[in-house]
Amino acid sequence: ETGVTQSPTHLIKTRGQQVTLRCSSQSGHNTVSWYQQALGQGPQFIFQYYREEENGRGNFPPRFSGLQFPNYSSELNVNALELDDSALYLCASTRDRGWYGYTFGSGTRLTVV
Amino acid sequence: GQQLNQSPQSMFIQEGEDVSMNCTSSSIFNTWLWYKQDPGEGPVLLIALYKAGELTSNGRLTAQFGITRKDSFLNISASIPSDVGIYFCAGLGETSGSRLTFGEGTQLTVNP
Repeated sequence: ETGVTQSPTHLIKTRGQQVTLRCSSQSGHNTVSWYQQALGQGPQFIFQYYREEENGRGNFPPRFSGLQFPNYSSELNVNALELDDSALYLCASTRDRGWYGYTFGSGTRLTVV
Repeated sequence: GQQLNQSPQSMFIQEGEDVSMNCTSSSIFNTWLWYKQDPGEGPVLLIALYKAGELTSNGRLTAQFGITRKDSFLNISASIPSDVGIYFCAGLGETSGSRLTFGEGTQLTVNP
């Protein structure tokens, strides 16, 4: 097992820009979830992908979108960035939507200026 | 948004002391989880609770699933400096699948 790897670790973007964050999951982990963690808060669920299809979504607008690929990698895309999008973005992967195998990556720290 | 109320927000203790933190919800959860997050890292699972009233230990950590299924607590005994970090409770509801709802965290500082 190689764990969950996220890139980049830090990123600075300007308001209105678009950003793509990447996550590489463990082999066999066909479920990936993305969470947004604002400073001083707990993580909030953005959405989950299972076998390359969206499988649940939290209270986030459509400008947050994702993709999951057959090689267990995934992306989180955010369009029209706002200042409030500044946060740590975490991905977590598991097998077959089971929470018990959840492994979190170290996150991408996004700063919007 | 968040449904879990976690307290206290922060704690400053001396090494060797015991620590207690808790989490309450307006909704029923079927599973309660406790995570620890170190700076620059993602959350790491400490303890999982599956049944109302269940009391589970993991070394110096003990957690309980409240009988109303709306609360949980975590105790840490004989704290050590490496216990420093942010502790989160998280819950899974009947229909939430693997979607976790997190509390806002308890920041623990241990003075040697």
